[in-house]
Amino acid sequence: SYELTQSPSVSVSPGQTARITCSGDKLGDRYVCWYQQKPGQSPVLVIYRDSERPSGIPERFSGSNSGNTATLTISGTQPMDEADYYCQTWDSSTYVIFGGGTKLTVL
Amino acid sequence: QITLKEPGPTLVKPTQTLTLTCTFSGFSLTTSGVAVGWIRQPPGKALEWLALIYWNTTKRYSPSLKTRLTITKDPSENQVVLTMTNMDPVDTATYYCAHQAPYSGSSYSSWGQGTLVTVSS
Repeated sequence: SYELTQSPSVSVSPGQTARITCSGDKLGDRYVCWYQQKPGQSPVLVIYRDSERPSGIPERFSGSNSGNTATLTISGTQPMDEADYYCQTWDSSTYVIFGGGTKLTVL
Repeated sequence: QITLKEPGPTLVKPTQTLTLTCTFSGFSLTTSGVAVGWIRQPPGKALEWLALIYWNTTKRYSPSLKTRLTITKDPSENQVVLTMTNMDPVDTATYYCAHQAPYSGSSYSSWGQGTLVTVSS
């Protein structure tokens, strides 16, 4: 079955660039999306179709996907960006797959 | 504005069947390309996808839970129902329903608030 792997945690200083990665076999051949989830809240879609931003999502959020790795980049990270981030893709046999999540700490 | 809502907290006993109803507004499940999915999250753990149903009634299930899940829709009532049989304490989780728009790369653009399901005798 298809799997997505994320690092458990990433730390960044305010104002710096955070990069959160998601890896899977030939992941670049699939669409990837990213969700932000803050404690006690439902997930929020921040990137879809690799690099598209839904309306209302700040421009500091961007995404890319190539080879075996998709990357969520947060430029000028703010304290409010501290959250768990999940990548997700689609597989023809496993259907919807989520990564294990990455806890972003802004300190 | 798209909204989805799951029922309030639920307590079920081991071996019982769980039935969850997602009530939505702001879109129609008869529109081509639209789907509604169910996702769960055990306390302190990652998201786990369970099932989805498309506008044309095509259904998809998590391979690991397929034998226990059934998803149905009632477009006239703007509802999607998920049933899960033979509940176990490891199924304790917050259960979310979510909207999948056409041409979204299978992403979920709107989520319900989630409902906590506790499995305990």
